[in-house]
Amino acid sequence: QKEVEQDPGPLSVPEGAIVSLNCTYSNSAFQYFMWYRQYSRKGPELLMYTYSSGNKEDGRFTAQVDKSSKYISLFIRDSQPSDSATYLCAMSVQSNYQLIWGAGTKLIIKP
Amino acid sequence: DVKVTQSSRYLVKRTGEKVFLECVQDMDHENMFWYRQDPGLGLRLIYFSYDVKMKEKGDIPEGYSVSREKKERFSLILESASTNQTSMYLCASSLSSAITTNEKLFFGSGTQLSVL
Repeated sequence: QKEVEQDPGPLSVPEGAIVSLNCTYSNSAFQYFMWYRQYSRKGPELLMYTYSSGNKEDGRFTAQVDKSSKYISLFIRDSQPSDSATYLCAMSVQSNYQLIWGAGTKLIIKP
Repeated sequence: DVKVTQSSRYLVKRTGEKVFLECVQDMDHENMFWYRQDPGLGLRLIYFSYDVKMKEKGDIPEGYSVSREKKERFSLILESASTNQTSMYLCASSLSSAITTNEKLFFGSGTQLSVL
């Protein structure tokens, strides 16, 4: 079993919909949680960064961490075709530099 | 604008060849990383460097070596390329000099390597 699980998709939704992307994990020691966005033929770029539990909002994006369920989510409101990309979750233990990555979910927003 | 540049976008090599992948960052970052990205497996860390001439093994260092002679440049070397090293290789850098902190990673656009 992988340490971080992420549905590969593709997830296809119409423009304007609310998108929910999720990752589950097995290591309860994880405290830092990140979402990266990767456009086709590009490297990943950091989208959201959360420490421990709770929500964090940035514009149309909300990152949510539920440590009791070992589950993190990324919500995208008013989705746009420009949001079409692969979304990677990543997480780490506080004292460990090493990020553990999900395999990524491919998201397609249809105009 | 911050930039991590990988020298080649696509490479095709033959089994047994020695392969060099080059990465340059212009942000004066302390840390540099090499990952490989395979479908269904996510990113896996091969090596990282937290200072010039310093290197640490990641999760999958076998068959690879690295070189960091200058702060801005981090090279990945496949000593004898094999077909199972066909993959997307991503270079990244981050600012912090403390390897135990988590800093934002800046990635290059990747090198798609095919070993035939």
